[in-house]
Amino acid sequence: ILNVEQSPQSLHVQEGDSTNFTCSFPSSNFYALHWYRWETAKSPEALFVMTLNGDEKKKGRISATLNTKEGYSYLYIKGSQPEDSATYLCAFGSGNKLTFGGGTRVLVKP
Amino acid sequence: SAVISQKPSRDICQRGTSLTIQCQVDSQVTMMFWYRQQPGQSLTLIATANQGSEATYESGFVIDKFPISRPNLTFSTLTVSNMSPEDSSIYLCSVGARGQEVAEAFFGQGTRLTVV
Repeated sequence: ILNVEQSPQSLHVQEGDSTNFTCSFPSSNFYALHWYRWETAKSPEALFVMTLNGDEKKKGRISATLNTKEGYSYLYIKGSQPEDSATYLCAFGSGNKLTFGGGTRVLVKP
Repeated sequence: SAVISQKPSRDICQRGTSLTIQCQVDSQVTMMFWYRQQPGQSLTLIATANQGSEATYESGFVIDKFPISRPNLTFSTLTVSNMSPEDSSIYLCSVGARGQEVAEAFFGQGTRLTVV
C-alpha cells in the first residue's frame, strides 16, 4: 500500500501572506507526482504533474518543487488571495491510477 | 483535456437503498476511474472501468457493493448498493488525459452522498 502524506491538514493564511505545505511519498519506483486544487462543489483541477527530480513548476502565484530521492514535494502560494482558499491534494502515480494524500485545506482570510 | 458531467451532485438516501451515479465524458476514453472520499479521509480509488470488460476493483471494494457499468467509451455508472451510513462520502469519476501515460486526471464535479 502506497503511503502519501500531506501536512499540515489545514492552515489559515492572512491575505497577502505567502505559505507552503508538504507532500511526502515513497521514494522508490517513482512515476509522477501530481498537485490538484479542489474547491468546494467543484471538480478537482490539476495544477502540476511533475516527473523529474529537482523539477520546479510555476502557475501564476503557485509553484511546486519536487525531490524524488527523498520523497517530498512542496507547494508554495505567494501573496495568498481569498480565491486561493481550497483543498490542495497531492497524488502519486499516473493519470491512470493515483494514490492521494489527505489534502491540505487552505483558508485565506481577508 | 476532458469535460466530465457527473450526476447527481448530491443526494440524501435511506439506509438499505441503492444510488446510481452517472458520468458522461465529452470524448472517448478507454478507462474511467471511480474514487471515494469518506469524511476526513483521502480520495481512494474504488475501481477502474474499461469498456467491454468487467471493472477492476481495488482491495477492500467488491462488485456486489459497487457494481459498475461501462456501456460505451463516453459513459459509466457506479451504483452504491444496500447503503449504510458508512457509505456517506463524496464520489468522483475521473479520466486520464488521452494518449498520455504521465498525465493529469480530469474529474467530475462529485456526488455528495449522505446516508441516513
